[in-house]
Amino acid sequence: EAQVTQNPRYLITVTGKKLTVTCSQNMNHEYMSWYRQDPGLGLRQIYYSMNVEVTDKGDVPEGYKVSRKEKRNFPLILESPSPNQTSLYFCASGEGSTEAFFGQGTRLTVV
Amino acid sequence: KQEVTQIPAALSVPEGENLVLNCSFTDSAIYNLQWFRQDPGKGLTSLLLIQSSQREQTSGRLNASLDKSSGRSTLYIAASQPGDSATYLCAVRSNDMRFGAGTRLTVKP
Repeated sequence: EAQVTQNPRYLITVTGKKLTVTCSQNMNHEYMSWYRQDPGLGLRQIYYSMNVEVTDKGDVPEGYKVSRKEKRNFPLILESPSPNQTSLYFCASGEGSTEAFFGQGTRLTVV
Repeated sequence: KQEVTQIPAALSVPEGENLVLNCSFTDSAIYNLQWFRQDPGKGLTSLLLIQSSQREQTSGRLNASLDKSSGRSTLYIAASQPGDSATYLCAVRSNDMRFGAGTRLTVKP
């Protein structure tokens, strides 16, 4: 079954404690992307990757890092989380002109 | 940079009405356009995908059209039902994938 898997689904953490949200896809897609969704602001792109070792900033990259060492994984790293990074996060993958698939979302709360 | 706009931001209709949601984009060099549905606090459910070479796609009561040259897409929902209440998002895929802010639809019984 085609799938994008994010972990964890829910996370509460404290300011400054490094965390990683994992994203994995089983469709051999080249394109992967991270978004955050906040009330009234819609889905905003954080980073995207067109292939292994190729990453680009989206609209809101500050405070985030990503890596794409292998095709199937695209982790999102928050080196020093702050309360303004409290949000709902989505990972997506796609291939050329085909349908994009989304993970179930990660609800992050930074206190 | 691709800009995607959806209007209206919110729409409330009585059950049974046909309705149209609009999506516009600024750069016509796209691979495809995808419509999603999102229930509050939930993930994205893909509704329809239109390739750049296509004019429309249909699934049940949903019909999506694409006019790439004018940078517009519409999502037509026939005979709306209360279960259609959700936020509808359009996403345009070029080098990356960019979303509109969504239309929040309420269908009243």
